[in-house]
Amino acid sequence: QSALTQPASVSGSPGQSITISCTGTSSDVGAFNLVSWYQHHPGKAPKVMIYEVSKWPSGVSNRFSGSKSGNTASLTISGLQAEDEADYYCCSYAGSHTYVFGTGTKVTVL
Amino acid sequence: EEQLVESGGGLVQRGGSLRLSCAGSGFSFSGYAMSWVRQAPGKGLEWISGINVRGNTYYADSGKGRFTISRDNSKNTLYLQINSLRAEDTAVYYCGRDRGADVDTGMVYSWGQGTQVTVSS
Repeated sequence: QSALTQPASVSGSPGQSITISCTGTSSDVGAFNLVSWYQHHPGKAPKVMIYEVSKWPSGVSNRFSGSKSGNTASLTISGLQAEDEADYYCCSYAGSHTYVFGTGTKVTVL
Repeated sequence: EEQLVESGGGLVQRGGSLRLSCAGSGFSFSGYAMSWVRQAPGKGLEWISGINVRGNTYYADSGKGRFTISRDNSKNTLYLQINSLRAEDTAVYYCGRDRGADVDTGMVYSWGQGTQVTVSS
């Protein structure tokens, strides 16, 4: 149960698009279409932004989109805004009723 | 409004024990699986344990042996018992509601604000 691999940081200017990758294995990300993404502002509760690879929970902006290819999932944020600056984590079902999170990515809006 | 409120954290000596609680409201607590996730200082989120609506429990390798998850649906409360506390258990502990009745959706739908656990030597 090793953590999924994410880049430590990604940055972009307001209005730009950025993509965060999340690399796992054929036992987690590659095996199930059960990847979710979370936005986490320090000191606050994490918030789910994407579930089942590419679905939006109610109330989440469609500027956030998800995809998956093989063992790598991705989160794209379009039209980057200052409020998007936060830490982002992916999570995958890993079989046997267990979950595994990614290492986390700090998004900076320049 | 759906709400999860953790409690029970604090400063504890190495080797000690602690029971964390998570009170749920605003949703049908008994109808959903629940999880505990922690974040150590400067580190990422780590899924520790989950429990489904039937009371079946599941643990990450890091949670096996010293952690025990349980729930009391009559009190809408989730628990995490941590024994033989170590310095590396220092973290903010979050409880979360799953999207379904079992720990198999890959999604923690809602989260509490977390409770801080600090293990001193």
